[in-house]
Amino acid sequence: EPEVTQTPSHQVTQMGQEVILRCVPISNHLYFYWYRQILGQKVEFLVSFYNNEISEKSEIFDDQFSVERPDGSNFTLKIRSTKLEDSAMYFCASSETYYEQYFGPGTRLTVT
Amino acid sequence: EDQVTQSPEALRLQEGESSSLNCSYTVSGLRGLFWYRQDPGKGPEFLFTLYSAGEEKEKERLKATLTKKESFLHITAPKPEDSATYLCAVQVGNYGGSQGNLIFGKGTKLSVKP
Repeated sequence: EPEVTQTPSHQVTQMGQEVILRCVPISNHLYFYWYRQILGQKVEFLVSFYNNEISEKSEIFDDQFSVERPDGSNFTLKIRSTKLEDSAMYFCASSETYYEQYFGPGTRLTVT
Repeated sequence: EDQVTQSPEALRLQEGESSSLNCSYTVSGLRGLFWYRQDPGKGPEFLFTLYSAGEEKEKERLKATLTKKESFLHITAPKPEDSATYLCAVQVGNYGGSQGNLIFGKGTKLSVKP
């Protein structure tokens, strides 16, 4: 069964460093999303991406965040200058029909 | 403001003891309501989508129902492997605008003891 994959599973970085989180969505899906979940809190929407551009973003998704689909398979989230409060699980999701979203296993980001 | 509230926060059941989880929502325009299962340290696993009041969906021991204000996830004769956090999420907006981001509740942590 096709699934969303994410790498790395765990990323440790120092405050102020740049990180890139990678996702491979399900191959025939057209809509792509990033969410995050701070430990013990709700899953929160960050950004949606369709037709090679950002279609919606939340207040969390400020100028330090960016997304890219550099080729036909990968979808990346870049955090330019990490802060302690960016420590969270980051989930990529994809959708074929704009409704059901299928999530990846997540990347645990730890900022020290 | 669009809101999703799940109750209870935690639920402990004995194996075989049926129960229900609640998800109430206040949104401007519901496009769909979703149930996910999340195991510790893992991503949400899709279970059901409900689109309109009165709709019901079933999968093994789980049954999801939807009214105009809330959804229930009924668990019949649960087993220990059903232990997980169950997340409810809503999708709101209009087709010309929002690209379908989900608004999640905090979840209900279900523990099923043998």
